[in-house]
Amino acid sequence: DSGVTQTPKHLITATGQRVTLRCSPRSGDLSVYWYQQSLDQGLQFLIQYYNGEERAKGNILERFSAQQFPDLHSELNLSSLELGDSALYFCASSADRDGDEQYFGPGTRLTVT
Amino acid sequence: AQSVTQLGSHVSVSEGALVLLRCNYSSSVPPYLFWYVQYPNQGLQLLLKYTTGATLVKGINGFEAEFKKSETSFHLTKPSAHMSDAAEYFCAVRGHPGGYQKVTFGIGTKLQVIP
Repeated sequence: DSGVTQTPKHLITATGQRVTLRCSPRSGDLSVYWYQQSLDQGLQFLIQYYNGEERAKGNILERFSAQQFPDLHSELNLSSLELGDSALYFCASSADRDGDEQYFGPGTRLTVT
Repeated sequence: AQSVTQLGSHVSVSEGALVLLRCNYSSSVPPYLFWYVQYPNQGLQLLLKYTTGATLVKGINGFEAEFKKSETSFHLTKPSAHMSDAAEYFCAVRGHPGGYQKVTFGIGTKLQVIP
């Protein structure tokens, strides 16, 4: 158990809908990272927050947004969903800003039908 | 810019045989290098990391990796494979220093262990 929790575990929704994925980092970790894992793209970095502020942005679509709250939990919002958004979404956390030791949650499997 | 290339998306070894998973990196500044493992239906877990100092790094579960600057490689090895090693392995790099650079993951190598 990494100490990182993600909810929900599975999500099935229709195209055009909006969903919110939630992540609670390990106790004391200030950084949260979001990744998308799909069969054809591998593990893609989406975005990082450090202590409430956006620190780095990766291949995150404009339809996607995220935030980190004062209690350090984070939410990833995915809107206008397309079939191609079906993937595993991982949250990771680290104690520092650089992410040299990231702890991954179990992931949320999103299926868009 | 930084990147990693993992040679072989699938590797099969017999139980008890040597495990060798290849990773080559590209970085314009000295790299920090990582190996993560993902067991079925789980998130990634850090196996080992190289930052500075000794180039041979030992990790969990009997794995080790050697940083070879001249070959820009960071291959992962284990002398004797166990069935429980069947998983997907990700090599990752972060250029350091040179300002902030995020960790970049490779595409992953699935290891199959044959009894």
